[in-house]
Amino acid sequence: DAGVIQSPRHEVTEMGQEVTLRCKPISGHDYLFWYRQTMMRGLELLIYFNNNVPIDDSGMPEDRFSAKMPNASFSTLKIQPSEPRDSAVYFCASSKGEEGTDTQYFGPGTRLTVL
Amino acid sequence: RKEVEQDPGPFNVPEGATVAFNCTYSNSASQSFFWYRQDCRKEPKLLMSVYSSGNEDGRFTAQLNRASQYISLLIRDSKLSDSATYLCAVNGDNAGNMLTFGGGTRLMVKP
Repeated sequence: DAGVIQSPRHEVTEMGQEVTLRCKPISGHDYLFWYRQTMMRGLELLIYFNNNVPIDDSGMPEDRFSAKMPNASFSTLKIQPSEPRDSAVYFCASSKGEEGTDTQYFGPGTRLTVL
Repeated sequence: RKEVEQDPGPFNVPEGATVAFNCTYSNSASQSFFWYRQDCRKEPKLLMSVYSSGNEDGRFTAQLNRASQYISLLIRDSKLSDSATYLCAVNGDNAGNMLTFGGGTRLMVKP
């Protein structure tokens, strides 16, 4: 099994630029999560999807952030315009969603640096 | 008060030592509990789920105390390779699969 795939693994961009992060969940998983991790705030849930539908986006910091899941095998997290405070590691995770087996499996993350 | 809290550490222990971490949670209706391990510059990986009756996996033992709203992780006979950050995760009763993570406890095992 390939696991959760994220791209790019590293992204360095300048303030004001648009950034798009990509995620392919594990095949057959119904839930997809986007997290952000920083030293100061730890691992924060931004948004999650169930069967491609956004369920809770209360963690999205502001309107500059948007996420989509056009199909079961692909999701994007977009930041436009990016700011230096967006620098963090962004993780995508997926889970099967069955009761008692809601383990989340994380991708390797995208390390974003906004200059 | 944070929903899920952990002592950030670091816990510096010698090889072979026994070390324990606690994690407190605020939502008394939480149903699912997990310990994740995160190595430096890597993603979190599930270490073990925490069941009401407690569970053991080799040198690792996880326990749940619902009355005091905390979960614990005990590591016996620490190895150098146990050095990592340990994150606890808790989900709510009607939160679907949404997990709230603690800030993590850093463990450093020294020779």
